[in-house]
Order: sequence, then C-alpha cells, then structure tokens
Amino acid sequence: QQPVQSPQAVILREGEDAVINCSSSKALYSVHWYRQKHGEAPVFLMILLKGGEQKGHDKISASFNEKKQQSSLYLTASQLSYSGTYFCGTVPSGNTGKLIFGQGTTLQVKP
Amino acid sequence: DAGITQSPRHKVTETGTPVTLRCHQTENHRYMYWYRQDPGHGLRLIHYSYGVKDTDKGEVSDGYSVSRSKTEDFLLTLESATSSQTSVYFCATWELRNTEAFFGQGTRLTVV
Repeated sequence: QQPVQSPQAVILREGEDAVINCSSSKALYSVHWYRQKHGEAPVFLMILLKGGEQKGHDKISASFNEKKQQSSLYLTASQLSYSGTYFCGTVPSGNTGKLIFGQGTTLQVKP
Repeated sequence: DAGITQSPRHKVTETGTPVTLRCHQTENHRYMYWYRQDPGHGLRLIHYSYGVKDTDKGEVSDGYSVSRSKTEDFLLTLESATSSQTSVYFCATWELRNTEAFFGQGTRLTVV
C-alpha cells in the first residue's frame, strides 16, 4: 500500500519554508526522499533508516519517526530550483527490497 | 551517473498487442523495479526483482509480467496492451539498504 503524502500541492514565494509529510500504515525500515522535475527521472535527496534520525544537506532536511511510521521533509528558505514533485519512498520492516512510493507533492516556488 | 538504460523511450501500440519494455543496468545492483507514473497516483510499483529469476508483485501487477534472466536485464511485458496501460514507465535499481535507488529516464507508452 502506498504511503500517504500531504499536502498534495504547495505554492511558495522564494525564501519561504515548507514541510512535506509522509505516513505509512506499515512498520518501516527506511524512508527515501526524491525530487522530480517535469519530464525527468526522480533524483535522490536522502535516505533515513529506522532509529529516529534526522538528516539534511544544504537547506533541505528530513526526520523519521519509526514509532509513528512517519517522515517529514523540511525545505527552508526555498529557492526557485526547489520546484518540482517530491516523492517519499518507504521500505517495510522485514522486506528490505520492496520500495514503494507515495503519490507525490507538487511544490512550486515563485519569485 | 548510474548506468540504467530503458528501451524504447517512446512507443505507440495498438490495443491487444503485446509489448515488452527493457531495463538494462551496468551497476550490478541486486534489486530492480518497474513503476508506472500517472497524474495523481505518483509512482506505483508494478513488479520488482531481488535477484536473477526472483521476482515479486507490486501494487498494480495485473496485466503485467516480468522476467530477469540476467542480473543486468529486467523485462516488463504487457501481454495484451489496453488503453489503461498508457503511462510513463520507470525502471529503478537499488543495491544496499542505506544507499539511493537510481532511476532510468522513463518510457512513454501510448496504447491506442
């Protein structure tokens, strides 16, 4: 079953912050985050393993709460280049090969 | 860049005809996946493979079959294409639990 992402769409001005949430009904081993530009393949952002870690690079970070089976992606001081569709991918505990993605969150950053 | 090649990149086919999409990797990754992408549905898993001749169903496997006879190749077959299978198909590969998955460039399939 696909993880559920929220919101479905976000419109921001440059410099504003955004949070994208990902929730699963299954116990998770790991969560992946990807960004896709129109007409291109998804590109990896980061992976979080169970253990409640938080990761980040540049102004994009993420957290993973394994007890709640939830992850959040934080985009701070957004830039025009952040526009695209963001996908979370989940790997269930006990089956480390089955990578399932959510329905995506479309982010539009305006000048 | 990871060496993942999908072929063909574009295809138009008629309803009822068989279609095979190919995914070729040069990374020697263990796991390979086929997803379809449709507006509002994100990336939905069709089938995946965890080794040569080892495959399993995803969420939307009806009407699709796969084969993996070599580590580097993962084939997706639509036995009798239908208009509902018009979509963009992505192949992906993955090796380890704590590393990224890599995507091919996608195949746009239109069934008329």
